[in-house]
Amino acid sequence: DIVMTQSPDSLAVSLGERATINCKSSQSVFSSSNNKNFLVWYQQKPGQPPKLLIYWASTRHSGVPDRFSGSGSGTDFTLTISSLQAEDVAVYYCQQDYTVPLTFGGGTKVEIK
Amino acid sequence: EVQLVESGGGLVQPGRSLRLSCTTSGFTFGDYAINWFRQAPGKGLEWVGSIRSQAYSGTTQHAASVKGRFAISRDDSESIAYLQMNSLTTEDTAVYYCSRGSKYGTYHVDYWGQGTLVTVSS
Repeated sequence: DIVMTQSPDSLAVSLGERATINCKSSQSVFSSSNNKNFLVWYQQKPGQPPKLLIYWASTRHSGVPDRFSGSGSGTDFTLTISSLQAEDVAVYYCQQDYTVPLTFGGGTKVEIK
Repeated sequence: EVQLVESGGGLVQPGRSLRLSCTTSGFTFGDYAINWFRQAPGKGLEWVGSIRSQAYSGTTQHAASVKGRFAISRDDSESIAYLQMNSLTTEDTAVYYCSRGSKYGTYHVDYWGQGTLVTVSS
């Protein structure tokens, strides 16, 4: 199974400041057949299902604000919130959709400082 | 608007069975894979299994933790997917989510339902 490791477990950021979350996979999730990294980022607020933010490591899902961006390739990935808003308080998960079993990182809780 | 609604959760005794339903609308159900995930109280997300579209032979895959106990099926005529759960244990207590998968045989997931809580307890 591909193990996904996120860091940090939690972070507190001031409103308007940048938040950065890291994700590392135990093996590459890059597919040379279509030149894509099969890495996804979700946002989950309390009592709600996960909401897709980013797929293919860096492509924003429909309707996602452009303050959210993803980067990285192979085994190392980053989610950046460029200017944290109050509504961004949530737990963020990375997930590989390269192969089954689909696996998730442990989550990063983002709070306001 | 893409919608998925889970139902069928509740309190069940260890060793018993339960069937969850995922009723969908807003997209051509038969074209897409459907995935089930779960989240134990206060814990992270776990993939339970997937069923592909008939274009990909409707093949199913399940997590090792549920293989042989859980089974995913689909009724394309009703736009509903099912998760049959047998031999339930307390470890299966979680919110269960269904989600829309890919049209193309990959494992991409985009829209999720609100989830249904399954509590396994005597």
